[in-house]
Amino acid sequence: DVKVTQSSRYLVKRTGEKVFLECVQDMDHENMFWYRQDPGLGLRLIYFSYDVKMKEKGDIPEGYSVSREKKERFSLILESASTNQTSMYLCAITGTGGQYEQYFGPGTRLTVT
Amino acid sequence: AQSVTQLDSQVPVFEEAPVELRCNYSSSVSVYLFWYVQYPNQGLQLLLKYLSGSTLVKGINGFEAEFNKSQTSFHLRKPSVHISDTAEYFCAVDIQGGSEKLVFGKGTKLTVNP
Repeated sequence: DVKVTQSSRYLVKRTGEKVFLECVQDMDHENMFWYRQDPGLGLRLIYFSYDVKMKEKGDIPEGYSVSREKKERFSLILESASTNQTSMYLCAITGTGGQYEQYFGPGTRLTVT
Repeated sequence: AQSVTQLDSQVPVFEEAPVELRCNYSSSVSVYLFWYVQYPNQGLQLLLKYLSGSTLVKGINGFEAEFNKSQTSFHLRKPSVHISDTAEYFCAVDIQGGSEKLVFGKGTKLTVNP
C-alpha cells in the first residue's frame, strides 16, 4: 500500500510565524502535490514537484513556498502565516505504472490566530 | 479555463435509497476522470477512475460511474446507500489526460439518514 505521512494532524500558529508542513512518502514516487481544502471551495493546488529540487506553481501559490531536497519529502512553507491561511492542507503523490490517480495523506488542519 | 462542476453541494437521502452525484467538466481534449471520497477528518480515498475503454466504471463500496463524452459528464451512482456512505465526494479531472495534475470539483456532501 502507498503511504503518505504528514507531520502534524493539527497545528496552531500565530500570525507572522514561519510554518513548515512536511509530507513524506514511503515509495519512490516522483510527483508530489500540496493542496489546501476549504469548505465550499474543494481542493486547490498550491504547488507541485515532479522531482528533487523541481517545483511548479499551482493555482494559488501566493504566500507559500516549497522545498524538495530529497525524493521522499516535500515541504510546504508559510513564510509569514496569516489568518487567511487557516485551512486544511493535504499532500498527495501519484502512483506508478500509468495509474495516474493521486494518493493523499491524512491532512494537517492549520489554525492561524 | 478548465473546470469541474459538481452540481449539488449537499445531497440528503434515506438509507437503502439510490443516489446519483453529478459531475460535469469542461475540456476540449481527452481527459482522465476520478471520484474520491473523504470521511470526516481524513484524507481523500479513490473510489473509481476512468482512463479509457468501457464508459461504465465500477469502484469500491458498490459505487459506479458513467463517462459520457458528448455531455462531458461523469456522474457517480449507487443503487442502495448505507449510513456509512455519509461523507464528502469529490470529482476530479486530469485535464490533459496523463499530466497527473488534477482539477477538483467543490465537493458534494452526501448525508444518509436512517
